[in-house]
Amino acid sequence: DQQVKQNSPSLSVQEGRISILNCDYTNSMFDYFLWYKKYPAEGPTFLISISSIKDKNEDGRFTVFLNKSAKHLSLHIVPSQPGDSAVYFCAASEGSRRSQGNLIFGKGTKLSVKP
Amino acid sequence: EAQVTQNPRYLITVTGKKLTVTCSQNMNHEYMSWYRQDPGLGLRQIYYSMNVEVTDKGDVPEGYKVSRKEKRNFPLILESPSPNQTSLYFCASSLYRGQPYEQYFGPGTRLTVT
Repeated sequence: DQQVKQNSPSLSVQEGRISILNCDYTNSMFDYFLWYKKYPAEGPTFLISISSIKDKNEDGRFTVFLNKSAKHLSLHIVPSQPGDSAVYFCAASEGSRRSQGNLIFGKGTKLSVKP
Repeated sequence: EAQVTQNPRYLITVTGKKLTVTCSQNMNHEYMSWYRQDPGLGLRQIYYSMNVEVTDKGDVPEGYKVSRKEKRNFPLILESPSPNQTSLYFCASSLYRGQPYEQYFGPGTRLTVT
């Protein structure tokens, strides 16, 4: 069963508008969440993270929101730019497995930002 | 430039022919890991290493071996590759064993086993 779910395989947004990428998880032991961005023919690159003790983390145009009661997190990109077009992976880690560095990844959402 | 390198980037091989995919990082990271990415399945961890001579299984270790004789290198070995190991493989590393979340990924190795 999938512990980290990204239910939207793709998302298309106009340049300058907000992009909202969603992620749901089932494991209540997850306490750290990350977003990675991946361009074709490249490895994933770390984008932003959030600890379960917070409900929001912001870094420039990128903000991650965490709703623990709903087991839901989202990544907001404002304003969206064509260079943001990529596949975005949500990942989670639980405290008991933290030393493994075992990140559980979602299947990814392909974001297309149209000029 | 800080980076994780993998070789080869592309490989086509036949069933049963042993192969090694190399991974090297120049950031003096303790933690290294291998993932495979398959369509519709996201990234899944194969093996990880928390330091030299310390390795352990991830979520999908069957059919793979690893070694960590030096801090910078973490090769992935397929002793007898099979078609179900056709995949895109990523090596990753991070600085702190206790905080391995922000992992740096290599560019990937696309492996096809016929």
